[in-house]
Amino acid sequence: EDQVTQSPEALRLQEGESSSLNCSYTVSGLRGLFWYRQDPGKGPEFLFTLYSAGEEKEKERLKATLTKKESFLHITAPKPEDSATYLCAVQANGNQFYFGTGTSLTVIP
Amino acid sequence: DSGVTQTPKHLITATGQRVTLRCSPRSGDLSVYWYQQSLDQGLQFLIQYYNGEERAKGNILERFSAQQFPDLHSELNLSSLELGDSALYFCASSVDIGAGDETDTQYFGPGTRLTVL
Repeated sequence: EDQVTQSPEALRLQEGESSSLNCSYTVSGLRGLFWYRQDPGKGPEFLFTLYSAGEEKEKERLKATLTKKESFLHITAPKPEDSATYLCAVQANGNQFYFGTGTSLTVIP
Repeated sequence: DSGVTQTPKHLITATGQRVTLRCSPRSGDLSVYWYQQSLDQGLQFLIQYYNGEERAKGNILERFSAQQFPDLHSELNLSSLELGDSALYFCASSVDIGAGDETDTQYFGPGTRLTVL
């Protein structure tokens, strides 16, 4: 069964304390892996797309990496404005999209 | 602002009723997706259209239907509403589908919050 699992469910960090969020997946034919940021009551905001194992992408304090079974979103020296829910999504064969339930990140000043 | 618009922002209705949610994709995007997000289930993929044709179906109930019009806007119709249908409904759009590149990236609208009483 195609599945996307994110961990941890919730993460509290002190400002400046770096950490990583995990997205593991089991799908029939990975076509792409997407990371989104979602603020409460808002639509998900696109961050990154990764297509093949070994690929990495960076944007400000965020860096996404991809292996054959999982992806990591590394957050370096986070700030309070990075507080949000981070969603991982996988595009499988047949153009099906599967979203994880997200990691709720809180960065404390 | 992603460029995807959804109306209405909020909708309150009663059980058994029917509602229509509307989505306008970003300029140039041919594909539209619908998602349901409830507190206990996260984002659930409902259905996808590309240039007016249905291309993929997810966990969409038979009481729900959608279509994409020639001007590429899309509507999601929800009928015989139940309390459990209360959720945020998101529309997303992308340039292409299945290209395996950045044109597959979905951009989400602000959502419609549906409350069924």
